[in-house]
Amino acid sequence: SQQGEEDPQALSIQEGENATMNCSYKTSINNLQWYRQNSGRGLVHLILIRSNEREKHSGRLRVTLDTSKKSSSLLITASRAADTASYFCAVAWGGGYQKVTFGTGTKLQVIP
Amino acid sequence: SAVISQKPSRDICQRGTSLTIQCQVDSQVTMMFWYRQQPGQSLTLIATANQGSEATYESGFVIDKFPISRPNLTFSTLTVSNMSPEDSSIYLCSVDVAGVTGELFFGEGSRLTVL
Repeated sequence: SQQGEEDPQALSIQEGENATMNCSYKTSINNLQWYRQNSGRGLVHLILIRSNEREKHSGRLRVTLDTSKKSSSLLITASRAADTASYFCAVAWGGGYQKVTFGTGTKLQVIP
Repeated sequence: SAVISQKPSRDICQRGTSLTIQCQVDSQVTMMFWYRQQPGQSLTLIATANQGSEATYESGFVIDKFPISRPNLTFSTLTVSNMSPEDSSIYLCSVDVAGVTGELFFGEGSRLTVL
């Protein structure tokens, strides 16, 4: 299975601190993505990093990708209470249309 | 981007019954994907629905249990048949608008509870 493993499973931080989540996967990928889910609702796409990229920024988000280690990290800087959610990494793989497999998720709680 | 509407948003069902979930997209898309998220778990791909052809099911999911229709480029349905409590999950419809990147847009999900 391509499913990513994420750590930590749960993370609790104070507002203003940075939050870092890690994701590892198993084989070759086309790209890696991060999604956010609030309270069991639909997922929202946050950022996509291609397999030939090493780092990407979007607002307060910073994603790194190390294909040699098959790992990625998501950094959320200056966290806010509204960032409280579950975060999932997902890998897109395969030829033709992309098949997307999700990781186990990190539950982030930001305490005001 | 895409706006995806799912119905019902939630339902409570009796064991042995079937329920059909509808997914409507505001633009034409080639591929639609159905995922299941069991309580406290990650998302698992059930099947890929391509307009005009049979859905492609992932390992562990079969057409008799999860029949899918894809009558046009903006609509799909997933039926959960002969439900048992183990089918209690959130079922999510998603699309890859670009068709090549795997960047998915999701509906709000349908939360099913089977008693």
